[in-house]
Amino acid sequence: QKEVEQNSGPLSVPEGAIASLNCTYSDRGSQSFFWYRQYSGKSPELIMFIYSNGDKEDGRFTAQLNKASQYVSLLIRDSQPSDSATYLCAVTPGEYGNKLVFGAGTILRVKS
Amino acid sequence: DTEVTQTPKHLVMGMTNKKSLKCEQHMGHRAMYWYKQKAKKPPELMFVYSYEKLSINESVPSRFSPECPNSSLLNLHLHALQPEDSALYLCASSQGAGFNYGYTFGSGTRLTVV
Repeated sequence: QKEVEQNSGPLSVPEGAIASLNCTYSDRGSQSFFWYRQYSGKSPELIMFIYSNGDKEDGRFTAQLNKASQYVSLLIRDSQPSDSATYLCAVTPGEYGNKLVFGAGTILRVKS
Repeated sequence: DTEVTQTPKHLVMGMTNKKSLKCEQHMGHRAMYWYKQKAKKPPELMFVYSYEKLSINESVPSRFSPECPNSSLLNLHLHALQPEDSALYLCASSQGAGFNYGYTFGSGTRLTVV
């Protein structure tokens, strides 16, 4: 079982719609959860992080964490063509405070 | 300064060459990392330095040799690489061990081994 799992996609949504990206993780002791955006040929860029159960909102982005279900998601409201990228979910395993394990990423395509 | 700077941006090297990748940050971060990313794959951790000491080596072959001369600099020395080592090499930094605020990544060095 992979430590961090994501649907590879591509996930296609029309411009202005809500994009919903999902991630599950296997280590129940995981402490920190991150969403990174990566454009083709570029390095990952941190979008959001979340530590506590519930929702965290930042502009058009909302991260949701459910530790009981070992599930974290990212919602992107009013999706724009510029949001088209690969979205990487990353998790800090319980035994390592500063190590990030990445999922394989979900390709998002926003169609205008 | 909120950046991680990596040089060079592109590198082509032969299998008998010795080269080094350089990474620099001036954010006062005390943890620095090397990741390797192959096309269409997620970044894979290679090394972690915490307070200038190597804390994690993910069983990386000895042809990759990391070095942390001070808290702002991280090098990756390359020797006798194989074509399958061609990848994007990413440096990252974070505030330190313990609670994780996420990494800041550099723009990467795209390495081609011929």
